[in-house]
Amino acid sequence: GAVVSQHPSRVICKSGTSVKIECRSLDFQATTMFWYRQFPKQSLMLMATSNEGSKATYEQGVEKDKFLINHASLTLSTLTVTSAHPEDSSFYICSARGVDGEGNTIYFGEGSWLTVV
Amino acid sequence: QKEVEQDPGPLSVPEGAIVSLNCTYSNSAFQYFMWYRQYSRKGPELLMYTYSSGNKEDGRFTAQVDKSSKYISLFIRDSQPSDSATYLCAMSTGGGNKLTFGTGTQLKVEL
Repeated sequence: GAVVSQHPSRVICKSGTSVKIECRSLDFQATTMFWYRQFPKQSLMLMATSNEGSKATYEQGVEKDKFLINHASLTLSTLTVTSAHPEDSSFYICSARGVDGEGNTIYFGEGSWLTVV
Repeated sequence: QKEVEQDPGPLSVPEGAIVSLNCTYSNSAFQYFMWYRQYSRKGPELLMYTYSSGNKEDGRFTAQVDKSSKYISLFIRDSQPSDSATYLCAMSTGGGNKLTFGTGTQLKVEL
């Protein structure tokens, strides 16, 4: 199946700083990528939908100025958590829409653990 | 009421058992149904992908969709300790559209 790579897998940053997470589709072009957040023992919460070359669409309650999403190419989307605070500590997961024998399928990255201290 | 309901478990079974995992949903517009497996502290891995009602089999896994009842299932035969993970159902209104997830069911297969 298709491969989606996320980097970094773990990051620790100081409160007030910004951190960038990258999501790459390695063997396919992804016109659409999705960013999720997952708290321990909870399901994935969609934060935003990222379309290549256009502004991201944010879900209700997600601050677009805090969670900056850039989808500059067909294989790369980035999520920047600006002015991070301890409550932003979470597991962030991206997914990308790829095409295979089943048609459009969504594949997930390995996730990025963010700890804000 | 959540759009997708899934029992969080935990569900504990002996090795070799048949496992049945289920989700119900309320949005009749859902057309695509997926099951993901998520190991602790890892991203979800796609297991099964189905469209419309019916059964789909892949190795030890069988996915069932009953759109009339708004009910989907995942069966795991001959369960193994390596199957211990959280299983998430997910669905969308169109192929590749944003997914709506269940809460996930934590499965533990014991020796």
